[in-house]
Amino acid sequence: AQKVTQAQTEISVVEKEDVTLDCVYETRDTTYYLFWYKQPPSGELVFLIRRNSFDEQNEISGRYSWNFQKSTSSFNFTITASQVVDSAVYFCALSPRNYGGSQGNLIFGKGTKLSVKP
Amino acid sequence: EAGVTQFPSHSVIEKGQTVTLRCDPISGHDNLYWYRRVMGKEIKFLLHFVKESKQDESGMPNNRFLAERTGGTYSTLKVQPAELEDSGVYFCASSHGQGAANYGYTFGSGTRLTVV
Repeated sequence: AQKVTQAQTEISVVEKEDVTLDCVYETRDTTYYLFWYKQPPSGELVFLIRRNSFDEQNEISGRYSWNFQKSTSSFNFTITASQVVDSAVYFCALSPRNYGGSQGNLIFGKGTKLSVKP
Repeated sequence: EAGVTQFPSHSVIEKGQTVTLRCDPISGHDNLYWYRRVMGKEIKFLLHFVKESKQDESGMPNNRFLAERTGGTYSTLKVQPAELEDSGVYFCASSHGQGAANYGYTFGSGTRLTVV
């Protein structure tokens, strides 16, 4: 089965706290891509990161960091020193290389709503 | 460059009526995707166009949904007749290459459809 699980439905933190959003995936493919998207209140899905299955290096981009562990099929996202502007719904997504006969379709998790309070 | 544009942003219709959603992809993007998020559930793939051809429509829920992409430019998604369970947010995305392999989905802001 191809599946993405975001077990945290909602998280609420106070500004400047660190917060980690969990993502666990299932796929039978050896080649695949993982994504994180942010959906702010304005509604659009904003691309944050793409990681392919051969690259297990963790990545840091400013206050954002991602921890990819194939051994546990997880791709967790951490925001350091959270800010009110980080409040949004965050989606983790999987793209198996040959899913559905069309490369590149995304399988999304249900999303985690993050609220950062001042 | 302009992003992916979807309209209307919101639509409220009665059960049994017809609604047409429109998506204008980024100019030059051959690949266009439709996704849908029903309240509280995952965003799910509906279909994928390459230019004007349907590459994959395995996610289309039933034959009340009809997607077209005239001339390989904008796309429409028609729901006829609409049912209550069709309510949700419909997202469109476009990419130059085929999605994941080319980094680049750009998503629109979505159309929130409410069927009453």
